[in-house]
Amino acid sequence: SQQGEEDPQALSIQEGENATMNCSYKTSINNLQWYRQNSGRGLVHLILIRSNEREKHSGRLRVTLDTSKKSSSLLITASRAADTASYFCASGGGADGLTFGKGTHLIIQP
Amino acid sequence: DAGVIQSPRHEVTEMGQEVTLRCKPISGHNSLFWYRQTMMRGLELLIYFNNNVPIDDSGMPEDRFSAKMPNASFSTLKIQPSEPRDSAVYFCASSLVLAGGGEQYFGPGTRLTVT
Repeated sequence: SQQGEEDPQALSIQEGENATMNCSYKTSINNLQWYRQNSGRGLVHLILIRSNEREKHSGRLRVTLDTSKKSSSLLITASRAADTASYFCASGGGADGLTFGKGTHLIIQP
Repeated sequence: DAGVIQSPRHEVTEMGQEVTLRCKPISGHNSLFWYRQTMMRGLELLIYFNNNVPIDDSGMPEDRFSAKMPNASFSTLKIQPSEPRDSAVYFCASSLVLAGGGEQYFGPGTRLTVT
């Protein structure tokens, strides 16, 4: 079963704009992770936010976590064509397997 | 480091045949995971190992699926007999678990087509 549900399922924006993706999850978590998947490739870890954190930054990425609403958001600022990919939130990890959402497919128009 | 290595990258086989997928985790990692990705079901965890020991195989869809990790540097996922509904991309991932949750490193995947 899917733990996270990303919203929107697909997003198309112009290069240079900001992209925001949301993730809702069902059960309690220790941390939430975001991964990127380019077409036909494996997943790449982007950022991990722990349950006691509210916001985290990594380069052009900003992740927020609201445990009261069981939701997280991923913001990509100043988007580039190379950011075109599918983005997944996932709970678990470490010694446990990850439970993924269905992903948001992001298209950056040049 | 070469990252997680999976072989073959593509496999096409006929229904009823045995399929073996292989994975070499990143050296020094102590956890290994097998996932399956399809359009309909998304990414699903099949089974994972900690220190070569299977921990949770509740995601393995049927008895036709089996996985082994004979040593820290090698794992196999076997499907016998294969069926068309097994067609998917199978990913292997590894991680170094020190304390708490952590990121996983994914291989490029094996695209399996069962005709």
